[in-house]
Amino acid sequence: QKEVEQDPGPLSVPEGAIVSLNCTYSNSAFQYFMWYRQYSRKGPELLMYTYSSGNKEDGRFTAQVDKSSKYISLFIRDSQPSDSATYLCAMSALVGDTGRRALTFGSGTRLQVQP
Amino acid sequence: DTGVSQNPRHKITKRGQNVTFRCDPISEHNRLYWYRQTLGQGPEFLTYFQNEAQLEKSRLLSDRFSAERPKGSFSTLEIQRTEQGDSAMYLCASSPTRGSGELFFGEGSRLTVL
Repeated sequence: QKEVEQDPGPLSVPEGAIVSLNCTYSNSAFQYFMWYRQYSRKGPELLMYTYSSGNKEDGRFTAQVDKSSKYISLFIRDSQPSDSATYLCAMSALVGDTGRRALTFGSGTRLQVQP
Repeated sequence: DTGVSQNPRHKITKRGQNVTFRCDPISEHNRLYWYRQTLGQGPEFLTYFQNEAQLEKSRLLSDRFSAERPKGSFSTLEIQRTEQGDSAMYLCASSPTRGSGELFFGEGSRLTVL
């Protein structure tokens, strides 16, 4: 079983819809939770990161973390065709003695917003 | 532009050839990472530098792979005797020393081994 599970989709929604993207995880050591957006043949772009359980809002995007259930979500309101991309969840935990926070990615959910 | 820069963006090579990718991180970031991403998967960690020191290497990094970061600035990733299984997107990322571990990625270097 992977440490981070994410439904690969594809998820197809009409323009203006509310989109819900989710990940589950198994490692209790994860402390920070992030969402990246990746357009085709491009590098991942950081959208949001959160530390504690609860919600964090940034414009049309809301990230939600429930540490007790090991479940995180990203909501996109008023979705636009330009939101069509792959969304990757990522989680970090301290590893070893190098001070590095290892980032573990989900496999990504492909989102298509239809005009 | 102050983002992470990678080149070449796409490299097509024949099996058995050597390839080298270059990464220029965000200038004030002293941590640099290489990841590999295959189709339909999230990025997988390959190696990590703090300044010029290579502090970690994943077991994914076979001895045909070598990474360097001379003088703690740009980094190179070399793959010797390429195999078809090496075909992937090679992503470079950088981060500041302190933080939540969020990484800032470059556009990636896509390798196709024929």
